[in-house]
Amino acid sequence: ETGVTQSPTHLIKTRGQQVTLRCSSQSGHNTVSWYQQALGQGPQFIFQYYREEENGRGNFPPRFSGLQFPNYSSELNVNALELDDSALYLCASSLRLAGAYEQYFGPGTRLTVT
Amino acid sequence: EDKVVQSPLSLVVHEGDTVTLNCSYEVTNFRSLLWYKQEKKAPTFLFMLTSSGIEKKSGRLSSILDKKELFSILNITATQTGDSAVYLCAPSGGSYIPTFGRGTSLIVHP
Repeated sequence: ETGVTQSPTHLIKTRGQQVTLRCSSQSGHNTVSWYQQALGQGPQFIFQYYREEENGRGNFPPRFSGLQFPNYSSELNVNALELDDSALYLCASSLRLAGAYEQYFGPGTRLTVT
Repeated sequence: EDKVVQSPLSLVVHEGDTVTLNCSYEVTNFRSLLWYKQEKKAPTFLFMLTSSGIEKKSGRLSSILDKKELFSILNITATQTGDSAVYLCAPSGGSYIPTFGRGTSLIVHP
């Protein structure tokens, strides 16, 4: 196991609702990245946080937002949920930039939107 | 827009076989390419490649990068059932944001 934890493991929400997913990074890592993985697809980069600031964002609408706290844990918030938001949400921690260092992934949160 | 194509999409082999997984990419200002193994949920890191022609090895797995032809391969020799997984490659460009491919699903039968 990598030491990256996520909660909850599973979640069922209704279209239009809001959801908050949480991630604790591996000890010593100050960068957290969030990914959305639909069934049969590779993870899609949502955004990355470094020292509490957003540091890179993928092609996701503003209703996807995040936070990083002083202890480097992080939250992903999704507003106005849509059916297509159903996916596995992965967070990954690293020493610095996601593409320049090894990333350690958490077990993911499976979100189902009905 | 960055692009990653992995092939084949799926592969079924028997224990002891050797497999080669391919990853071709188009990335602006290439920085690195990472390989991951995803068994159930969390992808696990295998290799990070930044230079052409330098093979990285870890046990029965090895990988190499060709920055001129824009591809990487992942080799697994003497496959075992525990190698069954989805293998993902993720190049990153100037922004260091990785772009993941769809992955190659490998099934190893006893």
